[in-house]
Amino acid sequence: DGGITQSPKYLFRKEGQNVTLSCEQNLNHDAMYWYRQDPGQGLRLIYYSQIVNDFQKGDIAEGYSVSREKKESFPLTVTSAQKNPTAFYLCASSTRGRRNQPQHFGDGTRLSIL
Amino acid sequence: KNQVEQSPQSLIILEGKNCTLQCNYTVSPFSNLRWYKQDTGRGPVSLTIMTFSENTKSNGRYTATLDADTKQSSLHITASQLSDSASYICVVSAFSGNTGKLIFGQGTTLQVKP
Repeated sequence: DGGITQSPKYLFRKEGQNVTLSCEQNLNHDAMYWYRQDPGQGLRLIYYSQIVNDFQKGDIAEGYSVSREKKESFPLTVTSAQKNPTAFYLCASSTRGRRNQPQHFGDGTRLSIL
Repeated sequence: KNQVEQSPQSLIILEGKNCTLQCNYTVSPFSNLRWYKQDTGRGPVSLTIMTFSENTKSNGRYTATLDADTKQSSLHITASQLSDSASYICVVSAFSGNTGKLIFGQGTTLQVKP
């Protein structure tokens, strides 16, 4: 079955450490996205990529970095510069340029501070 | 400022009863409105997408309505089941040319009790 796989499901970060969240999709989608979800708030866009080797900052990119070397993969690194990283991180993908197509989401990675 | 407001914040109903969730938005330029269901610890799953010209759309026991004049949408759940317990997220898409942005509501948490 086609879908989006995020790993790990739970992740713990120590002070000063960078951690990388994995996102892989086999839906053949061009566009991929990273969101952060905090309790009582709507999802906020961190980074997005419309095509391989290209990505743009979202609304809350500070303290995060991404790469898009392959169509299927869009890893997110939470750097030590992100002072409040505890959240639920969701990866999504969609067909590029198709306005009325849904974004498909993975099942998230919950990141906590040790 | 683009905003999506959902009400109520949380709701408890008995199994078999109907319920209606509300979504008000101030988003421009409007492209479409989406409802997602998010089970605890999982990613959101698309229920419906409605464009400006659509007043209602159904997906099984879920029926979404859209009033583009008053900028309001509702999600009606008929004959609720225990599996309907989840968070329901309203998302409005703003598109200009080829550039789009999704604005997420904070969600309504529904609990269905036996």
